[in-house]
Amino acid sequence: GQNIDQPTEMTATEGAIVQINCTYQTSGFNGLFWYQQHAGEAPTFLSYNVLDGLEEKGRFSSFLSRSKGYSYLLLKELQMKDSASYLCAVMDSNYQLIWGAGTKLIIKP
Amino acid sequence: GAVVSQHPSRVICKSGTSVKIECRSLDFQATTMFWYRQFPKQSLMLMATSNEGSKATYEQGVEKDKFLINHASLTLSTLTVTSAHPEDSSFYICSARFRGRDTGELFFGEGSRLTVL
Repeated sequence: GQNIDQPTEMTATEGAIVQINCTYQTSGFNGLFWYQQHAGEAPTFLSYNVLDGLEEKGRFSSFLSRSKGYSYLLLKELQMKDSASYLCAVMDSNYQLIWGAGTKLIIKP
Repeated sequence: GAVVSQHPSRVICKSGTSVKIECRSLDFQATTMFWYRQFPKQSLMLMATSNEGSKATYEQGVEKDKFLINHASLTLSTLTVTSAHPEDSSFYICSARFRGRDTGELFFGEGSRLTVL
């Protein structure tokens, strides 16, 4: 079966760095997405990785290793507004998105 | 600004009534639109995929007669929850894939929170 695993919840301190991991087992691979979702709102796109390596976008970076079925989202200089759920999603060989359950990130002052 | 607009954002209805949710792509042609539902503290669940001018493809376990999806144009898709019941209360989200966007990125609507009394 297809499976996406990510931690349920993480806590970090304002100004610090946090890494959210995602491992996957899917039928084929056509890219991995990270989305941010604040409570009661729709997800917003953060990043897309299809090749191995690190993609950097400002305070957020995303890494992919296809051979390991592994990705992480790195958030630097954490701000209180970064408190949200972070969803990992993989596009399989049929171009269907398989969603992880999300990681709730709690930022403390 | 938003590229996908969803309306209404919140709706409360009585059990047995039907509710229509609209999803519009702004300034772009949406080749494919997806409808999801999300229960509290859970991940997005794909309900159906619709391509312009063709019938929607429903995921296993989703009743096509209860959740009517129409994708009449490249900028509009609608989800109608027919004869809604309290168990249909959920957060419904649409997303669109646009012609010419090779990354496969999905753009999400704001979501619609349905409460059935």
